[in-house]
Amino acid sequence: DTGVSQDPRHKITKRGQNVTFRCDPISEHNRLYWYRQTLGQGPEFLTYFQNEAQLEKSRLLSDRFSAERPKGSFSTLEIQRTEQGDSAMYLCASSSPRAGQAYNEQFFGPGTRLTVL
Amino acid sequence: EDQVTQSPEALRLQEGESSSLNCSYTVSGLRGLFWYRQDPGKGPEFLFTLYSAGEEKEKERLKATLTKKESFLHITAPKPEDSATYLCAVQGRMDTGRRALTFGSGTRLQVQP
Repeated sequence: DTGVSQDPRHKITKRGQNVTFRCDPISEHNRLYWYRQTLGQGPEFLTYFQNEAQLEKSRLLSDRFSAERPKGSFSTLEIQRTEQGDSAMYLCASSSPRAGQAYNEQFFGPGTRLTVL
Repeated sequence: EDQVTQSPEALRLQEGESSSLNCSYTVSGLRGLFWYRQDPGKGPEFLFTLYSAGEEKEKERLKATLTKKESFLHITAPKPEDSATYLCAVQGRMDTGRRALTFGSGTRLQVQP
């Protein structure tokens, strides 16, 4: 399967603990995105990488959240000192620029469901 | 700030009963409008991209159309397997450097046999 993969698929943690999620994009895609989705809502943008550079961050991304993409391939999203309000589905997407096109589709992974007790 | 509003929030159809889902948007220079399908507990699955008013795209029983203010997803003779949440998203002007998609809250479609 050459789609976007995420690990773990489910994570249950206690409030105050740190968690880390991993995303492996489609192999030829140089752009990687993180989104968060709560029940009944559409995904909300968190951050975006082009290769290893983090080029865009949402104001939703508090200082407890940090994302990396050290070699321009896989990415990690860490949440420190988790709170119950962090419970959500964390989605990763990737895309590749197309020459002469003004847009590019983002392809999503299956998500990591985080539950903070 | 880009905004997307989808209606209705939920829609229940009988198998074979055609209908349309609406996506109204406000964006500073539309670069692309995207439709996704999402099944419970899964990530969004890409369906269509539209980028200019008047454009139409089709895939099986689905047809997406675009005007300057809204997009419609028409579902013709739906089947139970079309039951899912349908999400609409926009991407704004390129010169801002923004790549983020702004999503609506989705329309939950249930097709009964």
